[in-house]
Amino acid sequence: KAGVTQTPRYLIKTRGQQVTLSCSPISGHRSVSWYQQTPGQGLQFLFEYFSETQRNKGNFPGRFSGRQFSNSRSEMNVSTLELGDSALYLCASSPEAFNEQFFGPGTRLTVL
Amino acid sequence: GENVEQHPSTLSVQEGDSAVIKCTYSDSASNYFPWYKQELGKRPQLIIDIRSNVGEKKDQRIAVTLNKTAKHFSLHITETQPEDSAVYFCAATIGSARQLTFGSGTQLTVLP
Repeated sequence: KAGVTQTPRYLIKTRGQQVTLSCSPISGHRSVSWYQQTPGQGLQFLFEYFSETQRNKGNFPGRFSGRQFSNSRSEMNVSTLELGDSALYLCASSPEAFNEQFFGPGTRLTVL
Repeated sequence: GENVEQHPSTLSVQEGDSAVIKCTYSDSASNYFPWYKQELGKRPQLIIDIRSNVGEKKDQRIAVTLNKTAKHFSLHITETQPEDSAVYFCAATIGSARQLTFGSGTQLTVLP
């Protein structure tokens, strides 16, 4: 099976802009989770989607949002970008909850 | 809130020695405990996991132990090799939604 893919791999934006990141899970996986990884904060959970429904949400401001499509592909959107949003954004897919999560390669977002 | 604490944050060992990384969790209902290895510039990858009905699991040079009473679990790497150098993350399912919550990571360096 093909692994989790994320696009784009690298992105440079300026403050105030918005950005959309995409994640395609492993075929058959219905759960997609998103994480923000920064050097000082480790892996911070953003949200999890399962069968097009957001099941869980981390402690991030409302500027961070996401959705999942019927084919399980997921997108996350960050509006009104801030310098502190610069990070590696990882998505991970899982066949069900509470199981091994398979990570994608991440999208490196730089906000100038 | 519910969280996972991981120690140490950095660990250096001589090649051939053992390495131990410890994590504690706060949610007594946690039932799934994976460990991920992340090499520089790469995605996190699962190396071993354990469920709450098992006290210990071993896979070649890697083992994980779980103490549910004390709410802590540990990763043991024996006969370390330079290629074991990476950041290791523990995680546990936390909260009513059983969301996977990660520790802050341990940078392991194996010195030749």
